Amino acid sequence: QVQLQESGPGLVKPSETLSLTCAVSGYSISSGYYWGWIRQPPGKGLEWIGNIYHSGSTYYNPSLKSRVTISVDTSKNQFSLKLSSVTAADTAVYYCARHRPRATGGGFDIWGQGTMVTVSS
Amino acid sequence: DIQMTQSPSTLSASVGDRVTITCRASQSISSWLAWYRQKPGKAPKLLIYKASSLESGVPSRFSGSGSGTEFTLTISSLQPDDFATYYCQQYNSYLWTFGQGTKVEIK
Repeated sequence: QVQLQESGPGLVKPSETLSLTCAVSGYSISSGYYWGWIRQPPGKGLEWIGNIYHSGSTYYNPSLKSRVTISVDTSKNQFSLKLSSVTAADTAVYYCARHRPRATGGGFDIWGQGTMVTVSS
Repeated sequence: DIQMTQSPSTLSASVGDRVTITCRASQSISSWLAWYRQKPGKAPKLLIYKASSLESGVPSRFSGSGSGTEFTLTISSLQPDDFATYYCQQYNSYLWTFGQGTKVEIK
């Protein structure tokens, strides 16, 4: 079955760049779907960060757009998140997830387990 | 941006109760709405997509309705597994947003 697994540093210093990778197994990223990042600060709700379509088109949350880059590496069947100039407000559990196109109903149908990232010196 | 507002923020209920959660969009999103259940320490799970379509494997006690700007998630008979937080998510445009969440607690 399709599985997603996040990886990356659990601790990032303020002003530095947060980098996470989501490895996809059981499905080829280049075959379709949107691939996205969502975060959840401790005790708070879900925040959509952005998506990349299998074609490479990207879509970002306007509130984060100036600091976010999402890219895909089809050779490794993985996609990545970079968030620059981080502050304590970026401390959160970061999830990667697959979103179906509207033509097939939509919705984030497969999620990674999430990875906690703390921003602290 | 499209804002999604859920109500109530917290709901107290008992096993067997019928529960309804509302999600309102700041502008029309047609039927491009999904609902998720999240248990503590776990990733969200897709329950409903396209406002009223039940995701495969999800129990039939969950149902969704609505279109345009107002949507509801109904649990016909609350089970112990359903005490969790529920989120709506719109995907009408390419800028997707979640509601703030509704926590369903044991009464």
